[in-house]
Amino acid sequence: NAGVTQTPKFQVLKTGQSMTLQCAQDMNHEYMSWYRQDPGMGLRLIHYSVGAGITDQGEVPNGYNVSRSTTEDFPLRLLSAAPSQTSVYFCASRQTGRYEQYFGPGTRLTVT
Amino acid sequence: DAKTTQPPSMDCAEGRAANLPCNHSTISGNEYVFWYRQIHSQGPQYIIHGLKNNETNEMASLIITEDRKSSTLILPHATLRDTAVYYCIVRAPNDYKLSFGAGTTVTVRA
Repeated sequence: NAGVTQTPKFQVLKTGQSMTLQCAQDMNHEYMSWYRQDPGMGLRLIHYSVGAGITDQGEVPNGYNVSRSTTEDFPLRLLSAAPSQTSVYFCASRQTGRYEQYFGPGTRLTVT
Repeated sequence: DAKTTQPPSMDCAEGRAANLPCNHSTISGNEYVFWYRQIHSQGPQYIIHGLKNNETNEMASLIITEDRKSSTLILPHATLRDTAVYYCIVRAPNDYKLSFGAGTTVTVRA
């Protein structure tokens, strides 16, 4: 199993540009989520999904959209990038009924 | 969510046990204690979790006090690769969010 994969690893955007961060998992996990981590801080939940077709907001959802059309994929869309969205983004997945979450390697995003 | 309190940093000698404390005095009866760690620039890694009883796996042991207001993560034989930020998190079974605080930065020294 590849586990949780994220692309790209690094991205630089200009203010106002849009882009999609990709996340995929091959463990057939129902639950997937996106977190952001700012320098020196813990992770904050952006959006999560409990299964295909079902998504919900976390604690910092503004400026981001998600969709879940398949079990495997959970892309995160930045609608109009702002410097405040400069961060490291982590995707995670979890099997329903189990407690441990598996995290991807992260995408490091810089918005200038 | 119940909040947790951890020391900001601690050092440990290689080969010795590392004992990481966590206070969670407002924990609810159905909330579990989770430990994750994050090695520099990597995604967080699950270590262990528990409800009431002490737990052990191949990575660590978790000791939870009888009143559940605090816990200790034990890395039995710390190695240089255990240098990381360790997060103590409390979460209810039906809570989808992991609330990461600042964690404890553990530095293992040779």
